[in-house]
Amino acid sequence: AQSVTQLGSHVSVSEGALVLLRCNYSSSVPPYLFWYVQYPNQGLQLLLKYTTGATLVKGINGFEAEFKKSETSFHLTKPSAHMSDAAEYFCAVSETPGGYQKVTFGTGTKLQVIP
Amino acid sequence: GAGVSQSPSNKVTEKGKDVELRCDPISGHTALYWYRQSLGQGLEFLIYFQGNSAPDKSGLPSDRFSAERTGGSVSTLTIQRTQQEDSAVYLCASSLASGRTQETQYFGPGTRLLVL
Repeated sequence: AQSVTQLGSHVSVSEGALVLLRCNYSSSVPPYLFWYVQYPNQGLQLLLKYTTGATLVKGINGFEAEFKKSETSFHLTKPSAHMSDAAEYFCAVSETPGGYQKVTFGTGTKLQVIP
Repeated sequence: GAGVSQSPSNKVTEKGKDVELRCDPISGHTALYWYRQSLGQGLEFLIYFQGNSAPDKSGLPSDRFSAERTGGSVSTLTIQRTQQEDSAVYLCASSLASGRTQETQYFGPGTRLLVL
């Protein structure tokens, strides 16, 4: 069975500092991995996804994530935080070829950016 | 349409009543997905459609939940005999196809359901 663990339900960073949101997954087959973002009072948005191939995945708004099979991790990073990055971020995993269906979400990490 | 739309945006109902939630995907998107976001359960995948077909309904929480899609476009999620634990935001998303993760997924604004 697939599962996702997001370490830290709340993360605070200073504006301009590195953003690191942690995600570890469990999957019985090669996984498809996703990061979603939910801005305050807005809908969900796909940030980036890993399917196959290159393990460093670049997404929107300067975010990227690296798939590390040996560590079963898919951490999300951004070199310099902006105030507009304050949101809740969800990591997700799917074992289904194609990926979007039957995803399992993590519990989310709320990112606070301090001016 | 320009984006995924959902209606109603808010729904308050009494326990035991049936509700229907509607999703209009982006025109031309053959894949459609339903999710639920609640305080108790977090984000959950419910069901997806490829065209009018839902290959796997195992994500639906109980047999009170059903979904259909007609004409490869609009989808309706129906909850019968609503319970208070059904209170959540129901999200719909669509993509060009379900088997190709090169495709980007687009979400609607959600329907906030409150069961009293």
